[in-house]
This record gives sequence, C-alpha cells and structure tokens, in this order.
Amino acid sequence: NAGVTQTPKFQVLKTGQSMTLQCAQDMNHEYMSWYRQDPGMGLRLIHYSVGAGITDQGEVPNGYNVSRSTTEDFPLRLLSAAPSQTSVYFCASSGFTQMNTEAFFGQGTRLTVV
Amino acid sequence: AQSVTQLDSQVPVFEEAPVELRCNYSSSVSVYLFWYVQYPNQGLQLLLKYLSGSTLVESINGFEAEFNKSQTSFHLRKPSVHISDTAEYFCAVSSTGFQKLVFGTGTRLLVSP
Repeated sequence: NAGVTQTPKFQVLKTGQSMTLQCAQDMNHEYMSWYRQDPGMGLRLIHYSVGAGITDQGEVPNGYNVSRSTTEDFPLRLLSAAPSQTSVYFCASSGFTQMNTEAFFGQGTRLTVV
Repeated sequence: AQSVTQLDSQVPVFEEAPVELRCNYSSSVSVYLFWYVQYPNQGLQLLLKYLSGSTLVESINGFEAEFNKSQTSFHLRKPSVHISDTAEYFCAVSSTGFQKLVFGTGTRLLVSP
C-alpha cells in the first residue's frame, strides 16, 4: 500500500515556465487536496477536490490550476511559474463521506523558481 | 473563518524533561482538532486527533492533548521527551473532519541530551 505518492521530489524552474506536480493515492479516498508550506506560515490550502470532476479553491489558489479526472490522481499545474511560488508542496487525501477517515500526506515536492 | 495560533516557533528542551506545545484556535462553529508531526524532509504524520467524545486524547508514543473549549486551546504535552521527538509540530483545525485543515505556523521541538 503506497499511500500518497508525489512526483517529482525536487524541481527547479525558471520564471515563466510551466509544470505539473503529480499526486496519486491508492486508498480510494474521495477527498484530495494540495497545500504549500512556507517558513513561518505553516501549510496553506491551495485547491481541493471532493471527488472526480469536482474541484474548488482553497486559501491561496492564484497561479495554480487543478483537475480531477480519476479518483486516484490530482495533479497541480503551474501555468507560469513565479519566484513567489518557491515552496514545498504537499498533497493529501482522506475520506469524505466517512469524515473521520484520517488524512494522509505525501512526502512533498520542493519547488524552486529562479 | 478559522485560525490557529502556535505562539512558540521553537521550544528547546533537555531529554527526559516534560514539554508543552501550545495551540489556540478561533472558530465560530464546532471544530475538530489535530496535531501533526513532521520529521526533517518528510511529510506530515497524524499524531493525535480530537473529533468527539473525551476531551483528553493520547498518542501511542506518549503525547497527549486536551481539548479545552472555554479556552479554545488544544495544547500538546509529553511528560518525558526523547531525542527522537525532535521534529516540527503543527496544530490544525477543521469544521469538516479531515478536510480543509487550517494549520498553525508550527513549533519546532529541539530535544538535546
């Protein structure tokens, strides 16, 4: 049971480049979400999804795009990277209809935008 | 809107000493409360949770936290810490179970011999 898998683990981008951070889970969780972690700011919710075809914005959605075509995958897209998007990104999944299903986090993607 | 305050950014402590990491929250609705631990270069792991029932919750590795509704607090305690407890600890709140977690800024626990 792999849990939540994020790829890549590290990435360096130039300003203006685009990329997709991948997130996959094998626990059949309905709910998936993306957070960014910045020093002194904790984790902040970017986007989330309560099931395939359903996504919504979190606290800091600007500059990011998501889609959810399958239960397993929830990619995060940066259309035009900016230095302010330098951060560590975490994907998480949990149950939805079963509210007390624990949230599991991936190992993170460390992104640097130069 | 919900928010979480962790006033201590760093807590140094000697091995085998007791420790308390403070967490206060703000919410206009009923909440669920969590403590997560993050070891260096790793993701977050659930340490303990309050969803309902007893206000005192415990983890398998000796940590405990008490939900205090009147003081809007969920402080984390351990009577005797180990070197291996060195990590960053995040308090989080949600009104929807494990979804849409709102995190505090984290407290780095530094345990020295």
